[in-house]
Amino acid sequence: SYLLTQPPSVSVAPGQTATITCGGNFIGSKTVHWYQQRPGQAPLVVVYDDRDRPSGIPERFSGSNSGNTATLTISRVEAGDEADYYCQVWDSSSDHVVFGGGTKLTVL
Amino acid sequence: VQLVESGGDLVQPGESLRLSCAASGFSFSSYWMSWVRQAPGKGLEWVANIKQDGGDRNYVHSVKGRFTISRDNAKNSLYLQMNSLRAEDTAVYYCASSPRLRGSFRIWGQGTMVTVSS
Repeated sequence: SYLLTQPPSVSVAPGQTATITCGGNFIGSKTVHWYQQRPGQAPLVVVYDDRDRPSGIPERFSGSNSGNTATLTISRVEAGDEADYYCQVWDSSSDHVVFGGGTKLTVL
Repeated sequence: VQLVESGGDLVQPGESLRLSCAASGFSFSSYWMSWVRQAPGKGLEWVANIKQDGGDRNYVHSVKGRFTISRDNAKNSLYLQMNSLRAEDTAVYYCASSPRLRGSFRIWGQGTMVTVSS
């Protein structure tokens, strides 16, 4: 089945830029969504359809997708961005929704 | 706009459980619906989904043949019948909605805990 690979952790100082990658075979041909999950809360979509932001999500959150890597970029990181982040695709070859393993973002 | 899950409980291995998810504030019948679970301290795992009219259903391999997803659009409700439960099914179970098969999960419930233990 399709596999999405994320780094387990990313650390960044406040005000800096966090980059979270999501690797998958020809992921650029798929549609990628990104979720933020704070402890004890349900996930929240922060980027959908590779690069679009739902209303209410700051412009600091952006996404891209090409080749074998999709990327979530968080600019001007704030303490409140500390959370787990997951990428997700629909794999048509298996008719499965697939989540990446998740990345814990730590704001130093 | 919300989804509210219920039915989670502590059960023994081999037993059954039925989860429910009540939708309100949006056009439930227009959305694909999914169950997503999260074992304690672990990541998100998609479990199953069902098309708007219930005519298409998909399952992760580990639950196929044991779990059944269903919906009642007249009651704005989603269900997950879980049979032959195993310890590895222990997780928080979320219901989530998507406008299309490849779409993102825009609305999530708060989750309901299922614990399988003797």
